[in-house]
Amino acid sequence: KAGVTQTPRYLIKTRGQQVTLSCSPISGHRSVSWYQQTPGQGLQFLFEYFSETQRNKGNFPGRFSGRQFSNSRSEMNVSTLELGDSALYLCASSSLTSGRAGTDTQYFGPGTRLTVL
Amino acid sequence: AQSVTQLGSHVSVSEGALVLLRCNYSSSVPPYLFWYVQYPNQGLQLLLKYTSAATLVKGINGFEAEFKKSETSFHLTKPSAHMSDAAEYFCAVSGGGSTLGRLYFGRGTQLTVWP
Repeated sequence: KAGVTQTPRYLIKTRGQQVTLSCSPISGHRSVSWYQQTPGQGLQFLFEYFSETQRNKGNFPGRFSGRQFSNSRSEMNVSTLELGDSALYLCASSSLTSGRAGTDTQYFGPGTRLTVL
Repeated sequence: AQSVTQLGSHVSVSEGALVLLRCNYSSSVPPYLFWYVQYPNQGLQLLLKYTSAATLVKGINGFEAEFKKSETSFHLTKPSAHMSDAAEYFCAVSGGGSTLGRLYFGRGTQLTVWP
């Protein structure tokens, strides 16, 4: 089975621009979560989608948004980029088949490295 | 609320020595705990997870972790370090209730293995 894929792997943008990152989950996985990783703040949760619905959202400004499509693929968008948005953005997918909430493994993609100049 | 504290942002060991990476958690619900490893320029790879089946959990690459409720700890160990173990390690706890589907991560521990 193919793993979680994220495109693009690297991105350079300038302040004020917007960016869209894409994530394809493992086949059959319906839950997709997004995380931001920075040296200063570590790994922070952005949001989680299940069956095209956002179920959970982290403490990020409204400039960060996402969506999930019917095939479970997900995109996240960041508008009006700031220097502080430079980070590794990680996507993770989960099957949610264990029957016990919270125990399902999240499988991570390689990330998209965003640099804002 | 859930949170994770990893003691020691950097740990250095010699090849063949014991690896011990510390993780303490705080959780308002029964905790489900995970250890992930991250190699340079890669995503996170699951090493092992605790889901209340057994307190001693064995993972990949010879790693194991013991859940100790009385100490709210989930330390990661490996009897004999290998050069290929050099990476960053993250402990995480799963959210519950309204935060289901969310992982709360520690700040990570960078493991260096000396020859």
